[in-house]
Amino acid sequence: SQQGEEDPQALSIQEGENATMNCSYKTSINNLQWYRQNSGRGLVHLILIRSNEREKHSGRLRVTLDTSKKSSSLLITASRAADTASYFCATDVDSSYKLIFGSGTRLLVRP
Amino acid sequence: DAMVIQNPRYQVTQFGKPVTLSCSQTLNHNVMYWYQQKSSQAPKLLFHYYDKDFNNEADTPDNFQSRRPNTSFCFLDIRSPGLGDAAMYLCATSRQGFNPETQYFGPGTRLLVL
Repeated sequence: SQQGEEDPQALSIQEGENATMNCSYKTSINNLQWYRQNSGRGLVHLILIRSNEREKHSGRLRVTLDTSKKSSSLLITASRAADTASYFCATDVDSSYKLIFGSGTRLLVRP
Repeated sequence: DAMVIQNPRYQVTQFGKPVTLSCSQTLNHNVMYWYQQKSSQAPKLLFHYYDKDFNNEADTPDNFQSRRPNTSFCFLDIRSPGLGDAAMYLCATSRQGFNPETQYFGPGTRLLVL
């Protein structure tokens, strides 16, 4: 079964704008990860946030986690055409190393 | 560069004709996973190996099998592909089976069933 729901399903922005994607999940977690998938390719890990962390940064990426609301957001600042991809959140399953992925947000950055 | 390799990138098979997808890794990771991803959907875990130990997901159809002859290689066998098995198949690895741990994905094999 699917753990995470992502919102919006699709997002189209102009280059230079910020993109925000949201992920909600159902059960308690130890960590949440974000992955990027370029069209027709595998997934690439972007960032991991632990359940005791509220915010994390990596370059142009900012991730927040609100465990009370069971939600996370991924912010990409100053977007570039190369950021065009699908973005998935993933949470651990039953405190194991397995991951369950959300439904994904398809981001289009227009030049 | 250390990486996860999947072959072939595209595979066409006929309805009911067995097919094998392969994955190899140079990362020397203990855990290897197989995911199925249908169009515009989330990757869905089929099964994984922790070292030689096979772990099947409860809802993975019996039609899907896997082999891991050594640390570097893992195979996905589809015994009798149906039209509904057309999808992208992703192989991934993680280092030791700890939590938390990131996963490293191959480029995927897109399977078409005619």
